[in-house]
Amino acid sequence: EVQLVESGGGLEQPGRSLRLSCAGSGFPFGEYVMNWFRQAPGKGLEWVGYIRTKAYGGTAEYAASVKDRFTISRDDSKSIAYLQMNRLKSEDTAVYYCSREVPYSSEFDPWGQGTLVTVSS
Amino acid sequence: DIVMTQSPLSLAVTPGEPASISCRSSQSLLHSNGHVYFDWYVQKPGQSPQLLIYLVSNRASGVPDRFSGSGSGTDFTLKINRVEAEDVGVYYCMQARQTPFTFGQGTKLEIK
Repeated sequence: EVQLVESGGGLEQPGRSLRLSCAGSGFPFGEYVMNWFRQAPGKGLEWVGYIRTKAYGGTAEYAASVKDRFTISRDDSKSIAYLQMNRLKSEDTAVYYCSREVPYSSEFDPWGQGTLVTVSS
Repeated sequence: DIVMTQSPLSLAVTPGEPASISCRSSQSLLHSNGHVYFDWYVQKPGQSPQLLIYLVSNRASGVPDRFSGSGSGTDFTLKINRVEAEDVGVYYCMQARQTPFTFGQGTKLEIK
């Protein structure tokens, strides 16, 4: 069974850092682009960024709202993608989801269960 | 950025009746490879989003055939032939043609 499990969320103060993890299982993790999304309380879905496979350089792209503060990385040997969040702001408060992107398609499937990040003093 | 506009933002449907949700993109989602990078997702109460339809009209694995997607470069429709109680949730359209990937505002489907 293909599965994604996020972890690492919690309460953090503005300006501090947090690292989220997304552990994949049931599929060849290194062959998939991994995406991060978020959903602020009571709001809609927002794309955060993605990381390409190593075959395509392993580089990342980000939403403007997080660029230069967030960094996505991956460890294919552990089947984990990371979201390093620095200089946190209150508006980063959200449930964060990871999802794999099926090659040559627009499918983002499955999504993990999400991990809640709360930024507050 | 590509803006995705959904309508209606909410609808209440009697079980067994059809439902339809529209989504319009501010730019064509047609890629040079011939694919249109457009999906529908549903977020059921208390759950993560899940893929319903990909590349405009392809049902994801396990999605009942009462769900169908259609559309062209900028105008898309999700139809539910006969709504069931388990279909309640928020439906989102999404474009993956270019970054930043963007979503519609969401349409909340309720059962009458």
